Order: sequence, then structure tokens, then C-alpha cells
Amino acid sequence: GNSVTQMEGPVTLSEEAFLTINCTYTATGYPSLFWYVQYPGEGLQLLLKATKADDKGSNKGFEATYRKETTSFHLEKGSVQVSDSAVYFCALSANTGANSKLTFGKGITLSVRP
Amino acid sequence: GAGVSQSPSNKVTEKGKDVELRCDPISGHTALYWYRQRLGQGLEFLIYFQGNSAPDKSGLPSDRFSAERTGESVSTLTIQRTQQEDSAVYLCASSAGGARYEQYFGPGTRLTVT
Repeated sequence: GNSVTQMEGPVTLSEEAFLTINCTYTATGYPSLFWYVQYPGEGLQLLLKATKADDKGSNKGFEATYRKETTSFHLEKGSVQVSDSAVYFCALSANTGANSKLTFGKGITLSVRP
Repeated sequence: GAGVSQSPSNKVTEKGKDVELRCDPISGHTALYWYRQRLGQGLEFLIYFQGNSAPDKSGLPSDRFSAERTGESVSTLTIQRTQQEDSAVYLCASSAGGARYEQYFGPGTRLTVT
């Protein structure tokens, strides 16, 4: 079956540090890949997505590239801010069949210190 | 416009009681999903509705769980004879349908079974 593996957390960084959060997946076919974010006290929201190999999703300074050869979708940001403190979830959706349910990783908590 | 809403936001119930959770999707969204997030875990898919098609119930953990949706509107998730392991945040999401459409999540219902 499909699965998503995220690096273990939590992660604590100083403001303006470089961020990488690793995500790898196992899926049949060609899934769509997503990063969701949950800010403190808020609901889950889409951060970025990529729907085919070599696509780069980007939003709010975050980027992730769909790497089919390494089955990865690592999240990066060049300079994190305190406001980026949140829980980040990597997810995939299989593009086969009628059900486009999301398969999530366990999530990782990011804390950014001023 | 209005997002996905869920009620109640919190529910504490005694073991063995039945509970009903409600989800109001975004108007016009044909697809509706229920997920569960247990402490320290990623989100688990429970059930998927798409228009008038038969729902995909493949993620329901036991026959104590059931869900209904009337047309393309409100959905209710019912858990009968609740157990302590049912304690989790139950999230609802809706989308315009298909793997490439963003799923919009509600704030969730936190269920605690004592």
C-alpha cells in the first residue's frame, strides 16, 4: 500500500536558519505530493503541492521538488521565521481510482527561536 | 466564503456511549473525507464520499464506525459503543473532487472517551 515517511522531530531552529524536512514515499503509479501545515490553534492547510515528477511546489518561501528517482519530496526554506513554527505533514494522493484520499506522514513539529 | 465547519469542537463521552460528529463541507464541493488523528500519529483516512457514488469505507477501523452524507451536503460520523482507543481528533475535509484538487480541512472535533 501507499505510505509516507517523515524524518523524526521535533526540530528547533534559530530565526533565519536554513530548513530541510525530509519526506519519502512509497506508492504505485504516479501520485500527487503535498505538504500541509498546521499552525498553533488553527486547522490543517495546504502549503504546497506537486502533481508530477520534477515539478517544484512553492509557497511562502517554502519549496519542495517531486523526485521520482529517489521517491522524495523534501521541504526546504532558506531563512525561517518565528511565524513558521507549526506542525508540517507530508502527504500523497494516488492518481488512480476514484478515491483521492490523502496518505499522511506522522508530521513534524518545527519551533523557530527569535 | 465559509470554510469547512465541524461540530462539536470538543466532545467528552463515557466508554460505551454512542457519539455523532457533524461536518458541513464547502458549498459545491462534491468530495468529502473523514480522517482521524490520534496523539503522536499522522492522519488516518476513514471514509470518502463523492457525489452520489457509493462511499469508500475502506478506512473505517471497525463496524462501530459509520458515516452518512445526504447528497453533497452535511455528513455525520457515528461511533457506537465508544472505546478509549477512539479518543482522537476527527477531521473532515472537502474538495471539488479528484486527486489534483486541494482538500480543505475543518477545525476538527476532539473526542475524549473516559
